Amino acid sequence: EVQLVESGGVVVQPGGSLRLSCAASGFTFDDYTMHWVRQAPGKGLEWVSLISWDGGSTYYADSVKGRFTISRDNSKNSLYLQMNSLRTEDTALYYCAKDVVPAEVHYWFDPWGQGTLVTVSS
Amino acid sequence: SYELTQPPSVSVSPGQTARITCSGDALPKQYAYWYQQKPGQAPVLVIYKDSERPSGIPERFSGSSSGTTVTLTISGVQAEDEADYYCQSADSSGTLFGGGTKLTVL
Repeated sequence: EVQLVESGGVVVQPGGSLRLSCAASGFTFDDYTMHWVRQAPGKGLEWVSLISWDGGSTYYADSVKGRFTISRDNSKNSLYLQMNSLRTEDTALYYCAKDVVPAEVHYWFDPWGQGTLVTVSS
Repeated sequence: SYELTQPPSVSVSPGQTARITCSGDALPKQYAYWYQQKPGQAPVLVIYKDSERPSGIPERFSGSSSGTTVTLTISGVQAEDEADYYCQSADSSGTLFGGGTKLTVL
């Protein structure tokens, strides 16, 4: 069974930094592009970032470009999101999600983890 | 900027058919995907590539596309189908989601 378990969400002050992690199991992690998607409280879904299966390509939403960095460690089956210069509008539940087709980028998410909550507040 | 537009809410009685639409100018050229999100849970993919259904998703879920609108249809709605539904498609800088539609089963 594919499992994605996020961690690292906490309360942080504006301007602060945080690193989220996503532990993957049940599939060949280094075959798949991985994504972060967030959801502000009571709001809809917003794609944040992706990293290709080999880590060679990364893409970001304009709202986080230059502040967030996605990375992965295929030896540890783990995905990360380094979040710097955090703003109140970054407050959200952050999900990691697996792309569907191996060795390709399709922006097609299945499954999703349960999410980790990041709150940016003074 | 490009947007995907969904109705905020749809209400149906059990056993009826629910149709949730999603409109966007690029939809004739890009596939659409649909996710179901129940309260307190992560989204679940229910339709991919406009009309394909993942394994494990009930047959009452179907998708269709016509011009700039894609439609998620739930036939014979059950109480357990009450949830938020999001469409998703590609745009020039990655991907985006519609604003979501709350399906209420009366």
